[in-house]
Parts: sequence; structure tokens; C-alpha cells
Amino acid sequence: AQSVAQPEDQVNVAEGNPLTVKCTYSVSGNPYLFWYVQYPNRGLQFLLKYITGDNLVKGSYGFEAEFNKSQTSFHLKKPSALVSDSALYFCAVSPGGYNKLIFGAGTRLAVHP
Amino acid sequence: DTGVSQDPRHKITKRGQNVTFRCDPISEHNRLYWYRQTLGQGPEFLTYFQNEAQLEKSRLLSDRFSAERPKGSFSTLEIQRTEQGDSAMYLCASSFDGRGTDTQYFGPGTRLTVL
Repeated sequence: AQSVAQPEDQVNVAEGNPLTVKCTYSVSGNPYLFWYVQYPNRGLQFLLKYITGDNLVKGSYGFEAEFNKSQTSFHLKKPSALVSDSALYFCAVSPGGYNKLIFGAGTRLAVHP
Repeated sequence: DTGVSQDPRHKITKRGQNVTFRCDPISEHNRLYWYRQTLGQGPEFLTYFQNEAQLEKSRLLSDRFSAERPKGSFSTLEIQRTEQGDSAMYLCASSFDGRGTDTQYFGPGTRLTVL
């Protein structure tokens, strides 16, 4: 079965420190991978995606993600966290890339001043 | 371009009533998706359209659920005989099926509460 796992319900980090939000996936074929962020009372906002090519993908608001095929992972990273980064982060995979997204359960990121 | 819009933003209904939600996609987008999100979970796919054709439906979409996109623009999602288990956030997304893999852009959602 195709699935996405986000092993941490919550990640706590101090402002200015680097952050990592983990994601692993299980999908047949080449995966198309996405990260979205959800702020309270707002919809999901697209951050970045991996389709092919360079394993390090850069996205919005200084976020980046590293695709690792051997570990089937797509971890989200940011070199220096901001308090305003506090939100719910979702990893998603699109089997084949042209249809539905399969989401993880989400990871709540809390950045403390 | 104002993004994906959904109406209403909130809906409270009594069990057994019918409800209908509307989604207006980004204007040039030809694909439209519906997802459902319950508390503490990621969104789950329900169905999607390319133009006016409904191309895939999840088994989550019971026969009480129906979605339409009559002219390939806005879409409606109707739930008949609502049940308490239907309480959730219903999200709409749209994308443009062009070159490369399309990115889905989401609306703010409609929160349904069934009493």
C-alpha cells in the first residue's frame, strides 16, 4: 500500500536553530514528493516539491528538502528557524505525479523564542 | 488571481440533512480535487476532475456523496443524509495539467459539523 509516514507528532526548536521535519514514503514507481504547511484557520500552502534531478530542493520561506531514494525519505529542513514558522507541516506523495496526493498525518512545528 | 475559494467556510447541520459545498478553482486550472481532513490527520483524497470529467473516486466517497463540475469551472460536493462521522474539514484544490507535474493549490476549506 502507498503511504507516507511522519514519525514525529511535534518538533520543538529554538529560534535561530536549524530544524528538520522528517518524512518517509512507500510508493511504487518514481515518487513525486511535496511539502505543505497549514496555519490555523487557513488552507494548505505549497512549500516545495521534488520531481526529478537535484536531490536538494529549495522552496518558499527559506525551506528546503532533501530527497534520499535509498532511505525513501524526503526530510524538510531550514537552516535558521523563525517563531513565525510554527505551524502544521504535511508531507505528501503523488504516485505518478498527475493525480491524487497521499498525505502524512502531519508534524506540528513549535519554534520557541 | 485570488486563489481557490470555498463556500461556505463553516456549516453546522443536523444529522440526516443534506449539505452542499462549492469550490471555485484558480481560473486557468483544469484539474479540481476534493479532500477530507479530520482532526489530527492529513487530508484524504475523495475525488478529482479534469475539466468536467470525474476521473477518480475514492472508496471513502460513499453513495451519499456526490460531486459535480458541470462546466469545467466550479465544483460542488453534496452530502446526503449527513451522519456525525461526516464532520470534518472539506478541502478543495486545483491545478493546471501542463508540462511537468502539476502542483495542487488548496482553498481554505469548509468545516462541517454534524450535530
